[in-house]
This record gives sequence, structure tokens and C-alpha cells, in this order.
Amino acid sequence: QVTLKESGPVLVKPTETLTLTCTVSGFSLSNARMGVSWIRQPPGKALEWLAHIFSNDEKSYSTSLKSRLTISKDTSKSQVVLTMTNMDPVDTATYYCARISLLSGYDGPVYYFDYWGQGTLVTVSS
Amino acid sequence: DIQMTQSPSSLSASVGDRVTITCRASQSISSYLNWYQQKPGKAPKLLIYAASSLQSGVPSRFSGSGSGTDFTLTISSLQPEDFATYYCQQSYSTRFTFGPGTKVDIK
Repeated sequence: QVTLKESGPVLVKPTETLTLTCTVSGFSLSNARMGVSWIRQPPGKALEWLAHIFSNDEKSYSTSLKSRLTISKDTSKSQVVLTMTNMDPVDTATYYCARISLLSGYDGPVYYFDYWGQGTLVTVSS
Repeated sequence: DIQMTQSPSSLSASVGDRVTITCRASQSISSYLNWYQQKPGKAPKLLIYAASSLQSGVPSRFSGSGSGTDFTLTISSLQPEDFATYYCQQSYSTRFTFGPGTKVDIK
């Protein structure tokens, strides 16, 4: 059974650094056909992809947030960590981690988010 | 980055209706388009991947089509549990992007 669970602070102050951990089970972070993404959703708004990491340590970041984000993984602990610096009230959102699965057999690799954590609401306020 | 748009932003429909949601990409993304359903307070759920492939366990009333820049999600006969918000997402670029969502509510 595949599960992902986000953990981290529920409240951070402006200018502080947010650290979120995604603990996964039911699959390995060393699986070449899988990765983990972080995605957020401000209250009442749309989903926004933030970053991902794959088994080979390939990483990618949202263009608009790249300077503030760092993603890493600890395969032995089955954890993926996201840090976001210089938090602002506009960063108030539910933060999700999601498994990326990779399918071959098409013109190129097909990626999709097939399992999601329950999400964790992070509020930025002084 | 590839921008995604969806139309309409919301719609009202009745149980049994056929519903179509459109998603458009700012450049050609071949068939690298996924659809998700999200209910209030819940994480999104994958419905369709690679534009037209139905995720395991998803009812067959959901279908997807399109390629290039224009895509559609169709619900052939809307059921009470289908009232939700639907998002498209491109995976042509690994800087993944989502559409703004389409909310389907009860007429």
C-alpha cells in the first residue's frame, strides 16, 4: 500500500524558513520509475507545482520560486524534504507531496501524480 | 514555462448530464496531459494520464481526448459523487504546470 505523509510546522513567521518532510511507504525512493513532487494550494485557489526529485537525484524547481526552494531526499529514511526560505503570508497554503510515476512506451516518458499525501496547511503570520 | 488554461472556470449541471471541460496549453505538449479530480478538503485524485488513458479504478464514464494544445475531459453521465473541481496538468516539460481548475457543481 502506497502512502505519503507530510509533516512540518503549521505556523511560520514572515521571513522564516519552512522545512517540510514527506515520508513515503509502499515504494522506494530508489525506484527508477518514480519520484516525489511538492505541490501547494492556497486556500480557495489552484494547485501549484513547486519541485520534484527523482531516484537519480535529478531535481527541478518552479521557475518563479526557484531561488527560495531546495529539495532533497534520504532514501534510507524514505523521506523527501522541501525547504522554502523567506516565507511570506502569500505562501499560506496546503502543501502536498505526491508520487510521480513514469511510464515508457509512448513517444517519450509519461509522468503523472498517482498518489498524494493528505496535505498539511501552513500558515504564515506574525 | 508552459501555461495551462481551462474553460469554463465553473459550470452547473444535473445528475445524468454529459459534461465537457476544455484545457489548452500555451504550446504543443503532444499527449502529455493529465486530469485530476479534487473534492473539498481532499487531495487531488488522478483520473486520466497521457491525455486519454484511464487510471486504474476510475469509472469509465470519465474519458479524455486531444493532443497538441487542445484537450477535453468528458463525463458521460454525471453522478452525485462527480461534483468536484477538475484540474489539467502538463507533463511535456518536467517543470510541471496545472490549469486553474473547473468547478462542477449542482444545478
